Amino acid sequence: NAGVMQNPRHLVRRRGQEARLRCSPMKGHSHVYWYRQLPEEGLKFMVYLQKENIIDESGMPKERFSAEFPKEGPSILRIQQVVRGDSAAYFCASSPPTRRSYEQYFGPGTRLTVT
Amino acid sequence: AQSVTQLDSQVPVFEEAPVELRCNYSSSVSVYLFWYVQYPNQGLQLLLKYLSGSTLVKGINGFEAEFNKSQTSFHLRKPSVHISDTAEYFCAVTEGGSQGNLIFGKGTKLSVKP
Repeated sequence: NAGVMQNPRHLVRRRGQEARLRCSPMKGHSHVYWYRQLPEEGLKFMVYLQKENIIDESGMPKERFSAEFPKEGPSILRIQQVVRGDSAAYFCASSPPTRRSYEQYFGPGTRLTVT
Repeated sequence: AQSVTQLDSQVPVFEEAPVELRCNYSSSVSVYLFWYVQYPNQGLQLLLKYLSGSTLVKGINGFEAEFNKSQTSFHLRKPSVHISDTAEYFCAVTEGGSQGNLIFGKGTKLSVKP
């Protein structure tokens, strides 16, 4: 049973380029969360999605960041016109439909470096 | 607003010694509490969780934690650590009835020396 998959594992972008981060949840999971981990910081919640719906985006920066979780395919976190401050590890987590345990399963993360 | 405080950013300890990693939270409603471990360049792995019931929770790798509502704490303990326990440990909280997004502490780096 494959866990949460994220790709790429490492991504280097120049300032002004776009970054696309992909997350495939565990089989049977329909809830996806994105978190960002800045150096020497804990993880910060960004957005919570279900299939085709953004449920809570209260942690997303207002500009340049967007997320989607289409009916088919992985969830995508998109960062337009990246800046050096976007350099961080981005983690995706998934949970099953019932969510009664509130347990989230994390992927290995994508480490974004903006040069 | 919810917040999680991990009082120690780094904890060095010798192998086979006991360890306690401290975590305090602030919330005015019922909470669910978690400890995650992160090995270098990897994702987070759940160690244990408190949802309800017994305040002493046992997790994987010999770790346990105790929920103390009056002190709003959820400290992680292990009676005898191994070199392989060297990692970063994160305490996290979510409110009952919330959307489930986790609020994390800044982490504690546990360094086990031979």
